[in-house]
Amino acid sequence: KAGVTQTPRYLIKTRGQQVTLSCSPISGHRSVSWYQQTPGQGLQFLFEYFSETQRNKGNFPGRFSGRQFSNSRSEMNVSTLELGDSALYLCASSPDGTNTGELFFGEGSRLTVL
Amino acid sequence: GEDVEQSLFLSVREGDSSVINCTYTDSSSTYLYWYKQEPGAGLQLLTYIFSNMDMKQDQRLTVLLNKKDKHLSLRIADTQTGDSAIYFCAETSNNYGQNFVFGPGTRLSVLP
Repeated sequence: KAGVTQTPRYLIKTRGQQVTLSCSPISGHRSVSWYQQTPGQGLQFLFEYFSETQRNKGNFPGRFSGRQFSNSRSEMNVSTLELGDSALYLCASSPDGTNTGELFFGEGSRLTVL
Repeated sequence: GEDVEQSLFLSVREGDSSVINCTYTDSSSTYLYWYKQEPGAGLQLLTYIFSNMDMKQDQRLTVLLNKKDKHLSLRIADTQTGDSAIYFCAETSNNYGQNFVFGPGTRLSVLP
């Protein structure tokens, strides 16, 4: 069974640009969550989607947005990039979206903003 | 808001036991987790415990939960060099949606 796949794995952008990251969850998983990981702030929750609806949202500015498609694949977008947006962006999926246990993480997309 | 704290570094010798500690603030936490992150990889669930349990053992791993003090620990017996990684404590209350709060992670270094 394929794991969570995130693309691209690495990317470099400049301030003011926008970026779109993609996440394909494990087949059958309907919940997809996004996290930002930085050395200073650790892992911070961005948002969670379930059945194409944003069900939960963290404390990030509106420049961070996401969506989920009918096949459960998800994308997140960051507009007007800032230097502080440099981070590892992790996607995680789970089978039914309930808080019973495991999040399955992808390897992440490492974004560098110059 | 909710907060999860961990010490940032731990070094042990191969064969010794490792104990990684975590404290959390959310009294409504229902599930508490330990995740492991190896270099260049995403997080992988090691084990989890429900808040109505005191202890859970799984092979070399022992999780202890003191709900009164909001303290969680992970003990790794017979620590091996392959256990070198970052260990994250995480909690979630039983809300609808996957809003986990993670600690900063403890970097475990296993010395030969």
